[in-house]
Amino acid sequence: EVQLLESGGGLVQPGGSLRLSCAASGFTFSSYVLTWVRQAPGKGLEWVSGILSSGADTYYADSVKGRFTISRDNSKNTLYLQMNSLRAEDTAVYYCAKGRDGSNWFGDYWGQGTLVTVFS
Amino acid sequence: EIVLTQSPATLSLSPGERATLSCRASQSVGSSLAWYQQKPGQAPRLLIYDASNRATGIPARFSGSGSGTDFTLTISSLEPEDFEVYYCQHRSNWPLTFGGGTKVEIK
Repeated sequence: EVQLLESGGGLVQPGGSLRLSCAASGFTFSSYVLTWVRQAPGKGLEWVSGILSSGADTYYADSVKGRFTISRDNSKNTLYLQMNSLRAEDTAVYYCAKGRDGSNWFGDYWGQGTLVTVFS
Repeated sequence: EIVLTQSPATLSLSPGERATLSCRASQSVGSSLAWYQQKPGQAPRLLIYDASNRATGIPARFSGSGSGTDFTLTISSLEPEDFEVYYCQHRSNWPLTFGGGTKVEIK
């Protein structure tokens, strides 16, 4: 059974940092692309970042480029999102999602989400 | 950036009726479009990928069509559990984007 479990969310002040983790199981982690998607309270879905199966290439939304860094450790079956210079508008539930294969970015399995709250 | 515009924002229908949801892209995405369903407090669930392919375990009452800039999600006969929010997403180029969503509510 495919499982994705996010952790690392919490309360942080503007300008602060957090690192989210997504622990995966039930599939060959190193064969799939992975993404982070967020959802602000009461709002729609926003794609944040994606990473190739090898980790060689990464992609970002303009709203987080230069502040967030996506990475993965294929030996630990874990995806990460390092978030720096956090702003109030980064407040959201952050989901990790597994792509359908090594090049299809549509998320066929998702974690339950972790809440990040940026407040002053 | 490709902008996906979903319409209508809210669709009021009764169980058993047919639902037709639209997603329009600001430029061609080919067939690289997906549809998701989201229930309150839950993660999205993939319904349709690459415009017309049902994801694993998705009932046959859900179907997708379209290519280029105009796409449709059809629910042939609404079940009580279908009254949720639906999003489209493209994977044609970077950045990937989602539409603003359509809420299907009980009339």
